[in-house]
Amino acid sequence: DAGITQSPRHKVTETGTPVTLRCHQTENHRYMYWYRQDPGHGLRLIHYSYGVKDTDKGEVSDGYSVSRSKTEDFLLTLESATSSQTSVYFCATRGTRTNEQFFGPGTRLTVL
Amino acid sequence: AQTVTQSQPEMSVQEAETVTLSCTYDTSESDYYLFWYKQPPSRQMILVIRQEAYKQQNATENRFSVNFQKAAKSFSLKISDSQLGDAAMYFCLWGGGSQGNLIFGKGTKLSVKP
Repeated sequence: DAGITQSPRHKVTETGTPVTLRCHQTENHRYMYWYRQDPGHGLRLIHYSYGVKDTDKGEVSDGYSVSRSKTEDFLLTLESATSSQTSVYFCATRGTRTNEQFFGPGTRLTVL
Repeated sequence: AQTVTQSQPEMSVQEAETVTLSCTYDTSESDYYLFWYKQPPSRQMILVIRQEAYKQQNATENRFSVNFQKAAKSFSLKISDSQLGDAAMYFCLWGGGSQGNLIFGKGTKLSVKP
């Protein structure tokens, strides 16, 4: 395993509040990703990073922002959470040699 | 834009039998890689098998093998001697391009009957 942790693992919040999810990796992988998983949609890419301070949008980036100030940390922020952002969020990194995706355990976010 | 299609939302197999999950993709890239991931009820994403597009030989990992047809843009997963622990969601993943694009299929839910 690539040593990817996510915090928090579960969170319940109210509409309109800001939320930050944290992903931490210990493998020094350059690429990091945030996905959301919803029934019937599989995993959809929100944002990804290809280095410190280098980020780009994915398929479903509206309402989300990210930051990466250190190689090991990738933060996902919901500036003003909405009920449509209730989902399971996965962080992943990409292996250098094999291009394999390594996933964190996921965060279940509920927005009431 | 790249797309990945898993045409079987649900599949069922008898224990000890063989099942094949289909995946097709659309891309203009020449250099890419393909993966199958398993997601059991625990939610953890587990790599099952990988295939580099430049390799003609089909990848095999124990009871799992793929049928990679590059010209047809097809990447099916065969599970032999199915076990109860194989019950899970299976996702096909395409990865490639200059920015490391990653596209998942929507998944196939596999049930294994005892």
